[in-house]
Amino acid sequence: AQSVAQPEDQVNVAEGNPLTVKCTYSVSGNPYLFWYVQYPNRGLQFLLKYITGDNLVKGSYGFEAEFNKSQTSFHLKKPSALVSDSALYFCAVDGGGNKLTFGTGTQLKVEL
Amino acid sequence: DAMVIQNPRYQVTQFGKPVTLSCSQTLNHNVMYWYQQKSSQAPKLLFHYYDKDFNNEADTPDNFQSRRPNTSFCFLDIRSPGLGDAAMYLCATSWTRSVGETQYFGPGTRLLVL
Repeated sequence: AQSVAQPEDQVNVAEGNPLTVKCTYSVSGNPYLFWYVQYPNRGLQFLLKYITGDNLVKGSYGFEAEFNKSQTSFHLKKPSALVSDSALYFCAVDGGGNKLTFGTGTQLKVEL
Repeated sequence: DAMVIQNPRYQVTQFGKPVTLSCSQTLNHNVMYWYQQKSSQAPKLLFHYYDKDFNNEADTPDNFQSRRPNTSFCFLDIRSPGLGDAAMYLCATSWTRSVGETQYFGPGTRLLVL
């Protein structure tokens, strides 16, 4: 069965600094990986996904993610964090039939 | 703008009183999903429709039902809500069920059971 792990419940970063939100995955076939962001009392917003091709995937709002097959990781990154980036971030894997399995989420807090 | 709409945004019901949550979409997507998200947890897929074809997840309680009268609308019915059903309910859509297809989410309905 497929799964993703987000090892950090919370990540704190100062505004203007680079941020990384970690995700590792476990799948039996090719990995199809997603990042979503959730603001308080809101639905999930799609940020980016990895299907195939370049290991560096660029997404919305300046976010990017690096796919690393040898480390089975798909970490979310942004070169310069904004206070408005503070939210809950979910990594997810498509296990087939477009059924997403989500990680437990990482709360990102960007402070002035 | 094409979007996924959920009404109401907040719903209060009484223990055991049936409740219906609504989702509509202007994306003309073939697939509509319902997820349950309890406080600070990951969303959990309840079921989905591919066109008129209903697909239930194995561990979804019988208390949860769904209807999709047309392409644009999908409803989540909770026949006898219990206190443990208090959660955020998220509707999502996608064009197909192909692996890797992006799902687009609505803003969610927060259900409170008294």
